[in-house]
Amino acid sequence: LAKTTQPISMDSYEGQEVNITCSHNNIATNDYITWYQQFPSQGPRFIIQGYKTKVTNEVASLFIPADRKSSTLSLPRVSLSDTAVYYCLVAAAGGRSAAGNKLTFGGGTRVLVKP
Amino acid sequence: NAGVMQNPRHLVRRRGQEARLRCSPMKGHSHVYWYRQLPEEGLKFMVYLQKENIIDESGMPKERFSAEFPKEGPSILRIQQVVRGDSAAYFCASSPNEVNTEAFFGQGTRLTVV
Repeated sequence: LAKTTQPISMDSYEGQEVNITCSHNNIATNDYITWYQQFPSQGPRFIIQGYKTKVTNEVASLFIPADRKSSTLSLPRVSLSDTAVYYCLVAAAGGRSAAGNKLTFGGGTRVLVKP
Repeated sequence: NAGVMQNPRHLVRRRGQEARLRCSPMKGHSHVYWYRQLPEEGLKFMVYLQKENIIDESGMPKERFSAEFPKEGPSILRIQQVVRGDSAAYFCASSPNEVNTEAFFGQGTRLTVV
């Protein structure tokens, strides 16, 4: 079962770029890397998912090196509303894995955006 | 298309009572997952269900907890004889198939046991 390690917390200021790196040394061949965002008193929300290299959407970018043992979520020009907990997960997509179909959440990274 | 609906949003129960948490998945989704979150912690998987079947309940406590997802109606997480340690936020997620890497979560039910 691939375990992820990410910083407990990060502080930033409005307009800055926030980069959160997640380590997943035991990632399996058929695992994807997925990031979720959770605001206080709300359920997690899917942000982005990738397998290798770089993925970009309207919210964030995800950088994955060739060895896939880590990944970096990049939030461009954050605002106060980006204050949340960000979770990095690895899970198989498209079939069975040793982990089954459940998502395994770690402690996440608490990002605080200051004015 | 409404999102995942959970109710109630807040539930207060006295020790020893039963708590029933409901989850209506997104339209077209037949896979439901329940998670529990204690304050300042990450979400912990409890159970994965498809219509009328429990697929994975490896995260469910062996006693007092049960879950169902009937052919008609919402998924129900039932906690019998609640104790103070059951106080937590319970989140339901759904996905259209077994590939749950992009699961959609509800707003959660916050259970307080007094």
